[in-house]
Amino acid sequence: QQQVKQSPQSLIVQKGGISIINCAYENTAFDYFPWYQQFPGKGPALLIAIRPDVSEKKEGRFTISFNKSAKQFSLHIMDSQPGDSATYFCAASYAGGFKTIFGAGTRLFVKA
Amino acid sequence: DAGVIQSPRHEVTEMGQEVTLRCKPISGHDYLFWYRQTMMRGLELLIYFNNNVPIDDSGMPEDRFSAKMPNASFSTLKIQPSEPRDSAVYFCASRTGTGSEKLFFGSGTQLSVL
Repeated sequence: QQQVKQSPQSLIVQKGGISIINCAYENTAFDYFPWYQQFPGKGPALLIAIRPDVSEKKEGRFTISFNKSAKQFSLHIMDSQPGDSATYFCAASYAGGFKTIFGAGTRLFVKA
Repeated sequence: DAGVIQSPRHEVTEMGQEVTLRCKPISGHDYLFWYRQTMMRGLELLIYFNNNVPIDDSGMPEDRFSAKMPNASFSTLKIQPSEPRDSAVYFCASRTGTGSEKLFFGSGTQLSVL
């Protein structure tokens, strides 16, 4: 119930293409769903986040799609660039708690 | 702001030795978290503190692991004795208590136990 399942484990996309990473959760008490981006040798950094009262959130080339009934959410990176090559983590936390549970991560490589 | 500061960046030690990892959170942040990252298990929450008090240590793998936060600007994670399976990247993160759920991570400590 505390898990967040993320797929795929790795992803290779051509420059200009769309990168899609998916996550699923079980605990319906989760109410905050962030995505973190991590470059080699660095700590994860918040990229974008969503709450379950909206179905989509867009910030620049990054979009979160959220399906509350299916308990799934995904990250879409439009016009993917080589600089987007990094590891992406989905995560979840719930109201009243301060623990953030992370997915296993997706290694994205954008080919120039 | 300098962000979350961790030291050392790299630590290489031999099995059985004591290892101490250090963290300075962002000033004003009420919560401090210790995470461990491995290829097999991803990012695991080990323990977190609120106002210097340990709140949840259910992620601490064994009694060999201990963490302290003697004041608002300093925390340590200690492993004694260390084992090769403890090799991982250890991250410290901090956040405010209200207004934002954003976690701010340090750059991590790469620990290798030989």
